[in-house]
Amino acid sequence: SAVISQKPSRDICQRGTSLTIQCQVDSQVTMMFWYRQQPGQSLTLIATANQGSEATYESGFVIDKFPISRPNLTFSTLTVSNMSPEDSSIYLCSVGGRAVYNEQFFGPGTRLTVL
Amino acid sequence: QQQVKQSPQSLIVQKGGISIINCAYENTAFDYFPWYQQFPGKGPALLIAIRPDVSEKKEGRFTISFNKSAKQFSLHIMDSQPGDSATYFCAALNSGNTGKLIFGQGTTLQVKP
Repeated sequence: SAVISQKPSRDICQRGTSLTIQCQVDSQVTMMFWYRQQPGQSLTLIATANQGSEATYESGFVIDKFPISRPNLTFSTLTVSNMSPEDSSIYLCSVGGRAVYNEQFFGPGTRLTVL
Repeated sequence: QQQVKQSPQSLIVQKGGISIINCAYENTAFDYFPWYQQFPGKGPALLIAIRPDVSEKKEGRFTISFNKSAKQFSLHIMDSQPGDSATYFCAALNSGNTGKLIFGQGTTLQVKP
């Protein structure tokens, strides 16, 4: 499986500000995804980060709120814009496996608290 | 139709016992069913996965049972250990839908020594 790192691991932010979360993979991967996990809840897909094109967002998530970059096959960023306390969550990136189709591996997550 | 329903929400098992977590789905287009294990403060880790062309898959102490006609699948943890205490998520994916995993609600497992 790929080794995935995320930065920052956690942050406390003020309402109205923005935070950019980085996801770095140790090998080239075609598919990268961003998920949100609200406190004590399950995971919800925010968007699929496509290399060389715009991200594909799920219902309920918009580019203005969660802009995503995917400049190459090993890196992606997710920005949480104009934050409110409701954005307090764990944000996780995942990547598709190379050995087995459909496998997804998750990074350690970024724990965001908005005051 | 995109939901995956998981039960129970929480589970307490004695060391050495069998832990059983169940999931049900509606969308017959789902063709890949993974289970993830998540420890506090960590990302979910892929535990085991199954495709609908088999009814059971076993890896060590972990077994997935799959019932295609009932649209249900379950995770069995044999000889449960305190180190298995974690949150477990089932998920489902439609290969034709660009890798979107649909997660169950999660089950918090506590294995008592």
